[in-house]
Amino acid sequence: GAVVSQHPSWVICKSGTSVKIECRSLDFQATTMFWYRQFPKQSLMLMATSNEGSKATYEQGVEKDKFLINHASLTLSTLTVTSAHPEDSSFYICSATDNYEQYFGPGTRLTVT
Amino acid sequence: GENVEQHPSTLSVQEGDSAVIKCTYSDSASNYFPWYKQELGKGPQLIIDIRSNVGEKKDQRIAVTLNKTAKHFSLHITETQPEDSAVYFCAANGGNYGQNFVFGPGTRLSVLP
Repeated sequence: GAVVSQHPSWVICKSGTSVKIECRSLDFQATTMFWYRQFPKQSLMLMATSNEGSKATYEQGVEKDKFLINHASLTLSTLTVTSAHPEDSSFYICSATDNYEQYFGPGTRLTVT
Repeated sequence: GENVEQHPSTLSVQEGDSAVIKCTYSDSASNYFPWYKQELGKGPQLIIDIRSNVGEKKDQRIAVTLNKTAKHFSLHITETQPEDSAVYFCAANGGNYGQNFVFGPGTRLSVLP
């Protein structure tokens, strides 16, 4: 199946700093990538939909100025958490689609101290 | 919008027994229903999916059934093994071949040796 990678797999940062997470589709071109957030023992919550070469579409309640998404190529999307706070600590997962199916990355665990 | 419910939230079975997880969806326009398996600390992995023009699909020990009239679909795992222990999520796409999935809350499956 299609492979999606994420980097880093985990990151610890201090409150007020920014963190960038990369999502790559390794063996296919993804016109659309998605960013999810998952709190412990909860389901995946869609944050935004990212289309190559255009602005991301954010779900209601997600601050677009705090969670900056860039989808510069068909294989790379980035999520930058700006001015991170402890409540932003979570498991961030991206997915990429080549048609119907969505393939998920391994996730990035962000801890803000 | 689409709403997906999933039951049970937890399920324990003896190794070798079958496990069944059920999901219901609200949007009759949804036409794609994937199932994901998520192990601790990892991203979701697509294990099987079904489209609305099919009533059943099977892949070795895993099968999915879809009842469009009742708007529910189920995951069936036969001959369960300890490595099947994980959290399983169902999802629906909200119709029009959309790719913005709505996920169910998840089922934690434990296969007891």
